[in-house]
Amino acid sequence: DAGVTQSPTHLIKTRGQQVTLRCSPKSGHDTVSWYQQALGQGPQFIFQYYEEEERQRGNFPDRFSGHQFPNYSSELNVNALLLGDSALYLCASSLGPQGARPSYGYTFGSGTRLTVV
Amino acid sequence: AQKITQTQPGMFVQEKEAVTLDCTYDTSDQSYGLFWYKQPSSGEMIFLIYQGSYDEQNATEGRYSLNFQKARKSANLVISASQLGDSAMYFCAMREGVSDGLTFGKGTHLIIQP
Repeated sequence: DAGVTQSPTHLIKTRGQQVTLRCSPKSGHDTVSWYQQALGQGPQFIFQYYEEEERQRGNFPDRFSGHQFPNYSSELNVNALLLGDSALYLCASSLGPQGARPSYGYTFGSGTRLTVV
Repeated sequence: AQKITQTQPGMFVQEKEAVTLDCTYDTSDQSYGLFWYKQPSSGEMIFLIYQGSYDEQNATEGRYSLNFQKARKSANLVISASQLGDSAMYFCAMREGVSDGLTFGKGTHLIIQP
Protein backbone atom coordinates (compact mmCIF):
# COMPACT_ATOMS: atom_id res chain seq x y z
CA ASP A 1 0.00 0.00 0.00
CA ALA A 2 1.73 3.14 -1.25
CA GLY A 3 1.99 5.95 1.25
CA VAL A 4 2.16 9.62 0.34
CA THR A 5 4.44 10.27 -2.63
CA GLN A 6 6.05 13.65 -3.23
CA SER A 7 8.10 14.86 -6.17
CA PRO A 8 10.72 16.02 -6.71
CA THR A 9 12.70 15.14 -3.60
CA HIS A 10 15.12 18.05 -4.02
CA LEU A 11 14.94 21.24 -6.01
CA ILE A 12 17.13 24.31 -6.43
CA LYS A 13 15.56 27.51 -7.78
CA THR A 14 16.63 31.12 -8.23
CA ARG A 15 14.99 34.07 -6.50
CA GLY A 16 12.00 35.34 -8.44
CA GLN A 17 11.33 32.04 -10.17
CA GLN A 18 8.23 29.92 -9.82
CA VAL A 19 8.08 26.33 -8.56
CA THR A 20 5.55 23.49 -8.61
CA LEU A 21 5.65 20.64 -6.11
CA ARG A 22 3.56 17.50 -6.48
CA CYS A 23 1.86 15.12 -4.07
CA SER A 24 0.01 11.84 -4.49
CA PRO A 25 -2.01 10.94 -1.41
CA LYS A 26 -2.09 7.58 0.27
CA SER A 27 -4.41 5.09 -1.40
CA GLY A 28 -7.94 5.65 -0.12
CA HIS A 29 -7.31 9.21 1.05
CA ASP A 30 -9.10 12.16 -0.53
CA THR A 31 -7.73 15.16 1.33
CA VAL A 32 -4.33 16.78 0.99
CA SER A 33 -2.67 19.32 3.27
CA TRP A 34 0.61 21.14 2.65
CA TYR A 35 3.13 22.24 5.27
CA GLN A 36 6.33 24.27 5.17
CA GLN A 37 9.13 23.24 7.52
CA ALA A 38 12.03 25.67 7.82
CA LEU A 39 15.33 24.34 9.13
CA GLY A 40 15.17 23.72 12.87
CA GLN A 41 11.46 24.47 13.10
CA GLY A 42 8.22 22.53 13.24
CA PRO A 43 6.03 22.35 10.14
CA GLN A 44 3.64 25.24 9.43
CA PHE A 45 0.26 24.68 7.83
CA ILE A 46 -0.06 26.25 4.38
CA PHE A 47 -3.48 25.02 3.19
CA GLN A 48 -5.71 22.00 2.72
CA TYR A 49 -7.52 20.72 -0.36
CA TYR A 50 -10.68 18.63 -0.33
CA GLU A 51 -13.11 18.03 -3.18
CA GLU A 52 -10.77 20.02 -5.43
CA GLU A 53 -11.20 23.17 -3.38
CA GLU A 54 -9.03 24.98 -0.87
CA ARG A 55 -10.78 24.42 2.44
CA GLN A 56 -8.59 26.29 4.85
CA ARG A 57 -5.43 28.33 4.70
CA GLY A 58 -2.69 29.16 7.15
CA ASN A 59 -0.81 32.43 7.39
CA PHE A 60 0.86 32.33 3.98
CA PRO A 61 0.80 34.98 1.22
CA ASP A 62 -1.03 34.60 -2.07
CA ARG A 63 2.27 33.65 -3.72
CA PHE A 64 1.46 30.20 -2.38
CA SER A 65 -1.32 28.53 -4.33
CA GLY A 66 -2.46 25.02 -4.96
CA HIS A 67 -4.64 22.69 -6.86
CA GLN A 68 -6.26 19.32 -6.35
CA PHE A 69 -7.07 17.02 -9.23
CA PRO A 70 -9.99 14.60 -9.60
CA ASN A 71 -7.68 11.71 -8.66
CA TYR A 72 -7.00 13.56 -5.34
CA SER A 73 -3.37 14.35 -6.17
CA SER A 74 -2.29 17.90 -5.50
CA GLU A 75 0.17 20.56 -6.54
CA LEU A 76 1.69 23.38 -4.54
CA ASN A 77 2.81 26.42 -6.55
CA VAL A 78 5.01 29.17 -5.22
CA ASN A 79 5.53 32.32 -7.30
CA ALA A 80 8.22 34.99 -7.04
CA LEU A 81 10.44 32.84 -4.86
CA LEU A 82 12.26 34.44 -1.95
CA LEU A 83 15.32 33.17 -0.12
CA GLY A 84 13.06 32.64 2.90
CA ASP A 85 11.00 30.11 0.97
CA SER A 86 13.87 27.64 1.30
CA ALA A 87 12.42 24.78 3.36
CA LEU A 88 11.18 21.22 3.41
CA TYR A 89 7.67 21.10 1.98
CA LEU A 90 5.57 18.30 3.38
CA CYS A 91 2.37 16.90 2.02
CA ALA A 92 -0.06 15.10 4.31
CA SER A 93 -3.11 13.12 3.30
CA SER A 94 -6.20 11.95 5.17
CA LEU A 95 -9.64 10.52 4.59
CA GLY A 96 -11.76 13.62 4.97
CA PRO A 97 -10.51 17.01 6.16
CA GLN A 98 -10.01 15.91 9.74
CA GLY A 99 -9.46 12.24 9.08
CA ALA A 100 -12.15 9.58 9.23
CA ARG A 101 -10.70 8.59 12.56
CA PRO A 102 -8.63 11.28 14.29
CA SER A 103 -6.51 8.64 15.99
CA TYR A 104 -5.03 7.81 12.60
CA GLY A 105 -3.56 11.26 12.34
CA TYR A 106 -2.46 12.38 8.96
CA THR A 107 -0.08 10.44 6.73
CA PHE A 108 2.90 12.51 5.66
CA GLY A 109 5.26 12.14 2.77
CA SER A 110 9.03 12.54 2.98
CA GLY A 111 8.84 16.03 1.54
CA THR A 112 10.48 18.14 -1.13
CA ARG A 113 13.58 20.04 -0.08
CA LEU A 114 13.46 23.42 -1.84
CA THR A 115 16.54 25.62 -1.90
CA VAL A 116 16.23 29.15 -3.24
CA VAL A 117 19.51 30.82 -4.23
CA ALA B 1 1.87 33.32 22.49
CA GLN B 2 3.09 29.91 21.43
CA LYS B 3 0.30 27.45 20.84
CA ILE B 4 2.56 24.44 21.34
CA THR B 5 5.63 24.61 23.55
CA GLN B 6 8.30 21.96 23.66
CA THR B 7 10.91 23.04 26.17
CA GLN B 8 13.53 20.36 25.50
CA PRO B 9 15.51 21.17 22.33
CA GLY B 10 17.61 18.03 22.80
CA MET B 11 17.77 14.97 25.01
CA PHE B 12 20.30 12.19 25.48
CA VAL B 13 18.93 8.93 26.92
CA GLN B 14 20.52 5.55 27.56
CA GLU B 15 19.12 2.65 25.60
CA LYS B 16 16.34 0.71 27.41
CA GLU B 17 15.52 3.64 29.68
CA ALA B 18 12.11 5.32 29.62
CA VAL B 19 11.97 8.86 28.31
CA THR B 20 9.42 11.64 28.70
CA LEU B 21 9.15 14.40 26.11
CA ASP B 22 7.35 17.50 27.32
CA CYS B 23 4.58 19.37 25.54
CA THR B 24 2.32 22.14 26.77
CA TYR B 25 -0.39 23.71 24.68
CA ASP B 26 -2.56 26.79 24.65
CA THR B 27 -6.10 26.88 23.33
CA SER B 28 -9.45 28.35 24.25
CA ASP B 29 -11.34 25.69 22.29
CA GLN B 30 -13.09 22.95 24.27
CA SER B 31 -12.67 20.50 21.40
CA TYR B 32 -9.14 19.82 20.24
CA GLY B 33 -6.80 16.98 19.43
CA LEU B 34 -3.17 16.44 20.33
CA PHE B 35 -0.73 14.48 18.20
CA TRP B 36 2.83 13.29 18.48
CA TYR B 37 4.93 12.72 15.40
CA LYS B 38 8.43 11.30 14.93
CA GLN B 39 10.64 12.70 12.19
CA PRO B 40 13.77 10.71 11.36
CA SER B 41 16.51 12.20 9.20
CA SER B 42 14.64 11.01 6.08
CA GLY B 43 12.15 13.82 6.67
CA GLU B 44 8.93 11.83 6.80
CA MET B 45 6.63 12.63 9.72
CA ILE B 46 5.53 9.38 11.36
CA PHE B 47 2.32 9.46 13.40
CA LEU B 48 2.79 8.02 16.90
CA ILE B 49 -0.20 8.75 19.09
CA TYR B 50 -3.35 10.87 19.41
CA GLN B 51 -5.32 12.23 22.37
CA GLY B 52 -8.69 13.91 22.02
CA SER B 53 -9.68 16.61 24.48
CA TYR B 54 -12.72 14.62 25.59
CA ASP B 55 -10.86 11.34 25.98
CA GLU B 56 -10.88 10.34 29.62
CA GLN B 57 -8.18 7.73 29.34
CA ASN B 58 -4.58 8.48 28.45
CA ALA B 59 -3.77 7.21 24.96
CA THR B 60 -1.38 4.30 24.53
CA GLU B 61 0.14 2.77 21.40
CA GLY B 62 2.64 0.02 22.06
CA ARG B 63 5.72 1.56 23.71
CA TYR B 64 4.21 5.05 23.42
CA SER B 65 1.84 6.58 25.92
CA LEU B 66 0.56 10.10 26.34
CA ASN B 67 0.41 11.63 29.79
CA PHE B 68 -2.55 13.97 29.33
CA GLN B 69 -3.12 16.54 32.08
CA LYS B 70 -5.94 18.70 30.81
CA ALA B 71 -6.01 21.22 33.65
CA ARG B 72 -2.31 21.88 33.19
CA LYS B 73 -2.64 21.83 29.37
CA SER B 74 0.08 19.27 29.21
CA ALA B 75 0.46 16.31 26.82
CA ASN B 76 3.76 14.62 27.44
CA LEU B 77 4.92 11.66 25.37
CA VAL B 78 6.38 8.71 27.26
CA ILE B 79 8.49 6.15 25.44
CA SER B 80 9.12 3.03 27.45
CA ALA B 81 12.24 0.89 26.97
CA SER B 82 13.90 3.20 24.46
CA GLN B 83 15.68 1.73 21.44
CA LEU B 84 18.48 3.05 19.22
CA GLY B 85 15.93 3.42 16.42
CA ASP B 86 13.99 5.92 18.52
CA SER B 87 16.65 8.55 17.81
CA ALA B 88 14.85 11.28 15.83
CA MET B 89 13.07 14.61 16.10
CA TYR B 90 9.76 14.46 17.97
CA PHE B 91 6.99 16.96 17.40
CA CYS B 92 3.90 17.68 19.42
CA ALA B 93 0.99 19.11 17.40
CA MET B 94 -2.55 20.31 18.00
CA ARG B 95 -5.70 20.64 15.95
CA GLU B 96 -8.19 23.09 17.42
CA GLY B 97 -11.94 23.12 17.03
CA VAL B 98 -12.96 23.09 13.37
CA SER B 99 -9.47 23.89 12.11
CA ASP B 100 -8.12 21.45 9.57
CA GLY B 101 -4.49 22.29 9.99
CA LEU B 102 -2.11 21.16 12.69
CA THR B 103 -0.03 23.55 14.76
CA PHE B 104 3.35 22.07 15.59
CA GLY B 105 5.87 22.80 18.30
CA LYS B 106 9.56 23.31 17.53
CA GLY B 107 10.39 19.73 18.37
CA THR B 108 12.76 17.78 20.61
CA HIS B 109 15.82 16.06 19.21
CA LEU B 110 16.06 12.72 21.00
CA ILE B 111 19.30 10.76 20.86
CA ILE B 112 19.40 7.23 22.28
CA GLN B 113 22.85 6.14 23.36
CA PRO B 114 23.96 2.48 23.58
